[in-house]
Amino acid sequence: EADIYQTPRYLVIGTGKKITLECSQTMGHDKMYWYQQDPGMELHLIHYSYGVNSTEKGDLSSESTVSRIRTEHFPLTLESARPSHTSQYLCASSDRAYGYTFGSGTRLTVV
Amino acid sequence: AQSVTQLDSQVPVFEEAPVELRCNYSSSVSVYLFWYVQYPNQGLQLLLKYLSGSTLVKGINGFEAEFNKSQTSFHLRKPSVHISDTAEYFCAVSDDGGATNKLIFGTGTLLAVQP
Repeated sequence: EADIYQTPRYLVIGTGKKITLECSQTMGHDKMYWYQQDPGMELHLIHYSYGVNSTEKGDLSSESTVSRIRTEHFPLTLESARPSHTSQYLCASSDRAYGYTFGSGTRLTVV
Repeated sequence: AQSVTQLDSQVPVFEEAPVELRCNYSSSVSVYLFWYVQYPNQGLQLLLKYLSGSTLVKGINGFEAEFNKSQTSFHLRKPSVHISDTAEYFCAVSDDGGATNKLIFGTGTLLAVQP
């Protein structure tokens, strides 16, 4: 059963469009994360949050932005999508050191 | 900074054979270690984790891993694989033992089980 939900699962969108990838979790976890996964499968942390109104940039520079207004919700926004943004985006949440729970991912294609 | 190395990008194996997926980490502090599995078009699922205590950790689907501090390794093993085990496997280390809980992932190993 999924306790963390990502929508949409697949998105094909034109260059220049604004998009928001949704991520919600029902576990009450304070910490949430966004990873970008390359076609070669490597995972790169692009954003993370320790709680409401707390967001930080990750290890990989990204043109996307995030917000954390509610504990359960951690959306990622691209103001102007480009083909270089084509990737899979994975959202995760965690509670201390018990490991992450991942969503199913959003596969974004910008044409 | 901590890092994780998965030396094998792909491991082909026949069904019912044993398999070992290798993972080495670098860290100067206590670590938490994890193995995740990713099936095609899915997110990552936690297989097992080492936080403390026994160095042999058992996980789901018959997998186990052994924490070896002297060799800084956390290799994943399964005595007999099935076709359904075909997936990408990621080793990960906690960034600082829990304070921020950022995970550093390896580059992944594709386990390809052949009939």
